Amino acid sequence: GQQLNQSPQSMFIQEGEDVSMNCTSSSIFNTWLWYKQEPGEGPVLLIALYKAGELTSNGRLTAQFGITRKDSFLNISASIPSDVGIYFCAGDRTNFGNEKLTFGTGTRLTIIP
Amino acid sequence: DAGVTQSPTHLIKTRGQHVTLRCSPISGHKSVSWYQQVLGQGPQFIFQYYEKEERGRGNFPDRFSARQFPNYSSELNVNALLLGDSALYLCASRPTLPGGGYEQYFGPGTRLTVT
Repeated sequence: GQQLNQSPQSMFIQEGEDVSMNCTSSSIFNTWLWYKQEPGEGPVLLIALYKAGELTSNGRLTAQFGITRKDSFLNISASIPSDVGIYFCAGDRTNFGNEKLTFGTGTRLTIIP
Repeated sequence: DAGVTQSPTHLIKTRGQHVTLRCSPISGHKSVSWYQQVLGQGPQFIFQYYEKEERGRGNFPDRFSARQFPNYSSELNVNALLLGDSALYLCASRPTLPGGGYEQYFGPGTRLTVT
């Protein structure tokens, strides 16, 4: 099935560093969502974006809905050990009558002690 | 408030068998979707149900079926299991009240292993 292109695939950073990851698509989405998943658990919603150009923050996390509606970005500032996990972007075309979420390939974040 | 709940948490089946997975959405959510997540990949959409009707279907064979009950809980059924059906099966619910967002909330998943 289709998956969005997410990069980087993995990141190894030190505690306190900032993190940036992005997600691109060949199709337009009306909603972009960012999820975090830890081993053996379901994805947990971090941020939802509804308008092109929108910039939304949730604590140390900031995400942006690309102007073209074909991409989105997630930044994490001053990383801490509990940020470890896999981050997924997901696009939603609900306004087009389709509630299916299309997920990215994931970015695995590891914090080096 | 309780989140999305799924049962069982883990399941081991043999090829050719049938399996039923269950999901209870967040209270007040009427839309339920099912996703399959193979190890190392993002979730893939299987079905979406709203008010007991199928509203969307992903690219999965007819061995996969689902239904939604009057209390909005849902079941996913898979017949004639194959080794490739081994995955984490996720259920998600979404608010559908006026002004509700389009975000979907996921349960912890059911880990299915087919041997």
